[in-house]
Amino acid sequence: GQQVMQIPQYQHVQEGEDFTTYCNSSTTLSNIQWYKQRPGGHPVFLIQLVKSGEVKKQKRLTFQFGEAKKNSSLHITATQTTDVGTYFCAGPNGNQFYFGTGTSLTVIP
Amino acid sequence: NAGVTQTPKFQVLKTGQSMTLQCAQDMNHNSMYWYRQDPGMGLRLIYYSASEGTTDKGEVPNGYNVSRLNKREFSLRLESAAPSQTSVYFCASSLVDLQPQHFGDGTRLSIL
Repeated sequence: GQQVMQIPQYQHVQEGEDFTTYCNSSTTLSNIQWYKQRPGGHPVFLIQLVKSGEVKKQKRLTFQFGEAKKNSSLHITATQTTDVGTYFCAGPNGNQFYFGTGTSLTVIP
Repeated sequence: NAGVTQTPKFQVLKTGQSMTLQCAQDMNHNSMYWYRQDPGMGLRLIYYSASEGTTDKGEVPNGYNVSRLNKREFSLRLESAAPSQTSVYFCASSLVDLQPQHFGDGTRLSIL
C-alpha cells in the first residue's frame, strides 16, 4: 500500500542550528503539502508544492519538491523555540490522501 | 471565525458502546475529512466527502461510518467501539477535494 515516510522521526537541536526533515513517498504525488502541529494542537497548513523540482521559501523555511514528485524536504535555518512541533508532509495519490509519519522537532534554548 | 468545530473534545467509552463525533465548518468548503492520529503513525484518513452528497473510504475505514448531513456538517459514527479505536480524531475541510486542509481541534477518545 501507499506509504509516506519521514526521517528523522525525532530531532533535537540547539536554538540557532539548522533543521531538515525529509519526506519520501512510495508512489508519485500530484502535489505535496506541509503541515505543522504544535504539541497538543492540530495540524496547520504551511505550504503546497505542485511542480516537479519546485522550491518555495517562507522566511526561514525552505521547501523542495523532488523531480520525480515522490520526495520532498523542509529546511529551517537558524531554528527558534517557536519552531517546536511536529512537521508532516502530505499529498494525494489518486483519490486518496496520505500523511507522512512526521518529524518531531525539539529546540533547546 | 470558528473554522472547523468538533464536538466533543474528550470522551471515554466502554467497549461495545456507540458514539457519533460531530464536525461542522463555516468556511463554505466543499470537501471534508475524518482522520485518526496515533503515536508514531501520523494521520490516517478514515473517510472523506469530496462534496455534499458523496462519501468515500479512506485508508482505515473499518469500524466507522460517516454522514455528510449538509455542506457544513460531516459526522463520524462508531457503531460498536473497540479499544483499538482509542485515538485522537481530527476533522478537516478544504475548498475542493485533496487541496490544503483546515483542521478542527480534535476529539480525544478513549475506549476501555
